[in-house]
Amino acid sequence: DAGITQSPRHKVTETGTPVTLRCHQTENHRYMYWYRQDPGHGLRLIHYSYGVKDTDKGEVSDGYSVSRSKTEDFLLTLESATSSQTSVYFCAISESGTYEETQYFGPGTRLLVL
Amino acid sequence: AQKVTQAQTEISVVEKEDVTLDCVYETRDTTYYLFWYKQPPSGELVFLIRRNSFDEQNEISGRYSWNFQKSTSSFNFTITASQVVDSAVYFCALSVDQAGGSYIPTFGRGTSLIVHP
Repeated sequence: DAGITQSPRHKVTETGTPVTLRCHQTENHRYMYWYRQDPGHGLRLIHYSYGVKDTDKGEVSDGYSVSRSKTEDFLLTLESATSSQTSVYFCAISESGTYEETQYFGPGTRLLVL
Repeated sequence: AQKVTQAQTEISVVEKEDVTLDCVYETRDTTYYLFWYKQPPSGELVFLIRRNSFDEQNEISGRYSWNFQKSTSSFNFTITASQVVDSAVYFCALSVDQAGGSYIPTFGRGTSLIVHP
């Protein structure tokens, strides 16, 4: 199994509060991704990173920011959480980000915004 | 643009039945990879298989088999003699060889398979 952990695994927060989710990998892979999973929508990419301090937006990036100060850590921040951001968040990694590569996923974080 | 369609939102079968999960994809690229992932009730996403666009041989792994047909742009997944442990959401994904950018796969919306004892 790919060494990917996410923290916290579950979180309940209130509307308007900031929230940071952490993804940590031990594979030394260059690419890291944040997805959200919602019923009827499958997996949607929020942001991804192709190296330390190198990030780019995905299809649902509004309301989210990311940071990557070390190869192994990729942080997702909700600056001011809204109820529409209630979701399951998955981190994924791939070695070089090429089209042939498999993405491996972390265990997910369930976020409930009240 | 790429698209992956998993038209079956939910499938319900009784144990020991065979079941096929459909995946239809759209791309103008000739070089691409297709993937299947399994998401059991515990929630994690587990990689099952990867297939490149130049390899149309069917793949069999135990009770699982995959039928890749470029002529119909489909990459279907069959479970033979289904078991309760096969109950999960299954995702199909497409990753294409696009020049000049990062390769972000496109995921289908998933098919929920429920296997009743």
